[in-house]
Amino acid sequence: DAGITQSPRHKVTETGTPVTLRCHQTENHRYMYWYRQDPGHGLRLIHYSYGVKDTDKGEVSDGYSVSRSKTEDFLLTLESATSSQTSVYFCAIRPGQVTDTQYFGPGTRLTVL
Amino acid sequence: SQQGEEDPQALSIQEGENATMNCSYKTSINNLQWYRQNSGRGLVHLILIRSNEREKHSGRLRVTLDTSKKSSSLLITASRAADTASYFCATDGGNNRLAFGKGNQVVVIP
Repeated sequence: DAGITQSPRHKVTETGTPVTLRCHQTENHRYMYWYRQDPGHGLRLIHYSYGVKDTDKGEVSDGYSVSRSKTEDFLLTLESATSSQTSVYFCAIRPGQVTDTQYFGPGTRLTVL
Repeated sequence: SQQGEEDPQALSIQEGENATMNCSYKTSINNLQWYRQNSGRGLVHLILIRSNEREKHSGRLRVTLDTSKKSSSLLITASRAADTASYFCATDGGNNRLAFGKGNQVVVIP
């Protein structure tokens, strides 16, 4: 998994509660991404980061916020979880100057009841 | 936004046969990438083809790109049971992000 870890790997929570997912990389790559994967939709970009404190929205950013205070960590927060946010969340990194490919973490399965 | 669309969505083949998947997209791209996802795992990069390339090989994988038709194909030759997975195409429009298709599920029967 190219030095990428995600935590937690599984989480069950209730509607209305805040949830934070963490992505950690050991390679100090510049670009980091959060995706969600749902049946019939493939992967959809939520937010991405191009450096510390530099982030931008993806195609499904509503209801999500992100923060990157250190190169190695990219946090995804659901301020008030809803059942529609039940999904599998993947973090990815891109080495940038070296290659345009992305390397994915193992995923976090989130269930919002 | 551009988005890859794979066709067919599901494919079941016998071990040793070839598997072909197609991907179409809507806007101009810098490159197109194919990824594999085994059940319950993250995506793994397979191959990248740039917009000025027409064909690329990597082991048993062959990718073609037709920018005039905005389409790509992935061929897996001599398939193995271990090739059972979902395959995604993703387009890079040069904006530091990828747009993924919905994926192709391939089942290789031993």
